[in-house]
Amino acid sequence: GQQLNQSPQSMFIQEGEDVSMNCTSSSIFNTWLWYKQDPGEGPVLLIALYKAGELTSNGRLTAQFGITRKDSFLNISASIPSDVGIYFCAGQPLMTGGSNYKLTFGKGTLLTVNP
Amino acid sequence: DSGVTQTPKHLITATGQRVTLRCSPRSGDLSVYWYQQSLDQGLQFLIQYYNGEERAKGNILERFSAQQFPDLHSELNLSSLELGDSALYFCASSVGEGNTIYFGEGSWLTVV
Repeated sequence: GQQLNQSPQSMFIQEGEDVSMNCTSSSIFNTWLWYKQDPGEGPVLLIALYKAGELTSNGRLTAQFGITRKDSFLNISASIPSDVGIYFCAGQPLMTGGSNYKLTFGKGTLLTVNP
Repeated sequence: DSGVTQTPKHLITATGQRVTLRCSPRSGDLSVYWYQQSLDQGLQFLIQYYNGEERAKGNILERFSAQQFPDLHSELNLSSLELGDSALYFCASSVGEGNTIYFGEGSWLTVV
């Protein structure tokens, strides 16, 4: 099956710092998604990317769909304590009429923000 | 609140037992997905239903089964439980089969 490599596995930063994490794949994806999971909660969609090269922002979050279709990154600017959580990338392989069951998730990046 | 409701939130049971996890999708969503999340494997897709029909299977063990009922709620049945089945089980739903997936808060299963 598809393999997603997400890095880093964990980050410990100071409040106010910027954060960057990324996902790479050996296969081409036609959709990249970024989710955040708070403790005791389910993953929540942050940003969805549908086009190679696309750069999308959601508040302090910015994500890009790599031009090769094999990678994506997520940046968080001016981090705050509530940014703490696990961030997951997810990709949907290139296929006609892509279905969600083909979504592959990265193993997550655990972000800790020190106030 | 995603609108996806899962029960129970926590469950502790013994090896060899059987449990049923329940999921109510968001209003209007026809697709339901089940995922297993463990520390070493991350989020693993188990099975998907669409409007009552099974649509796709992922890494679901034969000891596990699921169904989606006419009112669109779904149940995941886990039987002959083993210690390694301890994990967080998520249900998710979407309007169709390629739309945004919304996750529930999960059911934490501990097998002792």
